[in-house]
Amino acid sequence: GAVVSQHPSRVICKSGTSVKIECRSLDFQATTMFWYRQFPKKSLMLMATSNEGSKATYEQGVEKDKFLINHASLTLSTLTVTSAHPEDSSFYICSAPWAGTEKLFFGSGTQLSVL
Amino acid sequence: KQEVTQIPAALSVPEGENLVLNCSFTDSAIYNLQWFRQDPGKGLTSLLLIQSSQREQTSGRLNASLDKSSGRSTLYIAASQPGDSATYLCAVPGGATNKLIFGTGTLLAVQP
Repeated sequence: GAVVSQHPSRVICKSGTSVKIECRSLDFQATTMFWYRQFPKKSLMLMATSNEGSKATYEQGVEKDKFLINHASLTLSTLTVTSAHPEDSSFYICSAPWAGTEKLFFGSGTQLSVL
Repeated sequence: KQEVTQIPAALSVPEGENLVLNCSFTDSAIYNLQWFRQDPGKGLTSLLLIQSSQREQTSGRLNASLDKSSGRSTLYIAASQPGDSATYLCAVPGGATNKLIFGTGTLLAVQP
């Protein structure tokens, strides 16, 4: 079945550094990918929708310059947390829809801890 | 604005019990509703998807129902097993079909 690969699974960084998270669709093309953020014991909150070959669409309240999204190919979307701070510590998950269907496949998530 | 709520927030049951998880949504104009499972520190696995025209969907020991008019869905788990322990999330589309709004989740613990 379709798989979405997300890396890294866990990252610990110092405050002020930037962290890149990759999300790849392994056996299907994804023109759209969704990036979610999840705080401990909370639900997933949609941050942005990445679109292959065009600018990402951000949800209200999400800082575009803070969370840079690039969707340069049909199989890869990246989320870069720039100048990370402790409040950015969270679980980030990507998902990609199977083309033309309502089926969504999720990455395994990235736990970001900013010291 | 669509809001999705799940009750209870946490549930602990002994192995073998049947249980029901609840999901409610404020805007009944939905295309579908999905139930997902999330293991600790992991991504999501889709369990069931109910179209707006359907009343229920079944997969193995899982049965999900949908009542659009009342803004409710339930996930019924029969003969629960310790391996069912996880967080269960319901989600409905928000705007675009694949742009999901998730519920608050129910943390299920099945005690052996």
